[in-house]
Amino acid sequence: LAKTTQPISMDSYEGQEVNITCSHNNIATNDYITWYQQFPSQGPRFIIQGYKTKVTNEVASLFIPADRKSSTLSLPRVSLSDTAVYYCLVGSGTYKYIFGTGTRLKVLA
Amino acid sequence: ETGVTQTPRHLVMGMTNKKSLKCEQHLGHNAMYWYKQSAKKPLELMFVYSLEERVENNSVPSRFSPECPNSSHLFLHLHTLQPEDSALYLCASSQGSGRDTQYFGPGTRLTVL
Repeated sequence: LAKTTQPISMDSYEGQEVNITCSHNNIATNDYITWYQQFPSQGPRFIIQGYKTKVTNEVASLFIPADRKSSTLSLPRVSLSDTAVYYCLVGSGTYKYIFGTGTRLKVLA
Repeated sequence: ETGVTQTPRHLVMGMTNKKSLKCEQHLGHNAMYWYKQSAKKPLELMFVYSLEERVENNSVPSRFSPECPNSSHLFLHLHTLQPEDSALYLCASSQGSGRDTQYFGPGTRLTVL
């Protein structure tokens, strides 16, 4: 199972772009990279998923370099409501979803 | 609203009580999960059911007993818990495994006195 490493915390200001990088050096060929967002006392919520290059949806972009040993979640123009914990997961064919410590993002006014 | 509901939302119980947590998913998924999240800690995977068969059991104490009567319902039966079992218990479901997105319920905040 690929272990992930993320920064413990980050601060940003409203309106800025935030990039959170996740390291997954032993990612397997079939693994996908998925990011979740969690607010206090709530379950995590899916943000975005990708396998390689770049994926974009209405809330975020995910950049994955060719070697796939890391990935970067990009949140454009964050607001106070984006204050949350962000988790990076890698997985493929097993049920072992491993949530690491995540990155605690605090958006300041 | 994620399509996964959990009841009760809050539960306070003594160490000698027996209680059950309930989870229901309305998404037609095949896999269901129980997670434990203690304060300021990552989610810990407890149990996984796929097509009503238990496929993962991560060394969880026997005072936690899961039950999956069908693919839409999942229970966590609790008995003789300890204060350190106080946590947010989250249920999730997914279509399959690995790359499939998990959909989480709102959780049950459990306090053991």
